[in-house]
Amino acid sequence: SQQGEEDPQALSIQEGENATMNCSYKTSINNLQWYRQNSGRGLVHLILIRSNEREKHSGRLRVTLDTSKKSSSLLITASRAADTASYFCATAAIRSYNTDKLIFGTGTRLQVFP
Amino acid sequence: DVKVTQSSRYLVKRTGEKVFLECVQDMDHENMFWYRQDPGLGLRLIYFSYDVKMKEKGDIPEGYSVSREKKERFSLILESASTNQTSMYLCASYDRYTDTQYFGPGTRLTVL
Repeated sequence: SQQGEEDPQALSIQEGENATMNCSYKTSINNLQWYRQNSGRGLVHLILIRSNEREKHSGRLRVTLDTSKKSSSLLITASRAADTASYFCATAAIRSYNTDKLIFGTGTRLQVFP
Repeated sequence: DVKVTQSSRYLVKRTGEKVFLECVQDMDHENMFWYRQDPGLGLRLIYFSYDVKMKEKGDIPEGYSVSREKKERFSLILESASTNQTSMYLCASYDRYTDTQYFGPGTRLTVL
């Protein structure tokens, strides 16, 4: 069952520009996480925002969460060619056996041109 | 740093073969997961394990089984591989203190 939907599906920008990706979901959540995947590799956790938080920063990353609209955005500032990757949001709505069961969206493919 | 390793990066098998995918984590995490990733479908949970010998079905368990005999190792088994199981398989380990999943590099399985 798919919960998160990222928008846009693909994004191309120049180095130095900001990149914004959005995620919408359907049900109440405990937290929302963003992951990055370089081509053909595993996912790397970027940032987690809890349902009672509205904004969170980590380096060049800024995540917002609007639980009333059931949406989140990931902003990457001053992008670099190395940021080229797919970005996934994952929602944690169900907790089972002391673990969050994450539901992943289909991702936004970001291309940053030098 | 958490390290999650998977036994193979690429694997080619024939229809009907029994396939073992292995995942090892070095952080003493209790919870581990197996996902498959397909274009346009994102990651889908196959099985997860919350302790040694304990497992729970995910969203798409059909055609798969799992084994967790030791805490650090979680194996995914395709009893009789089929072409529709051609996919990228990702293992993850869960840190309950940070609610974060740590992923292995993935195994790209092709079933001919």
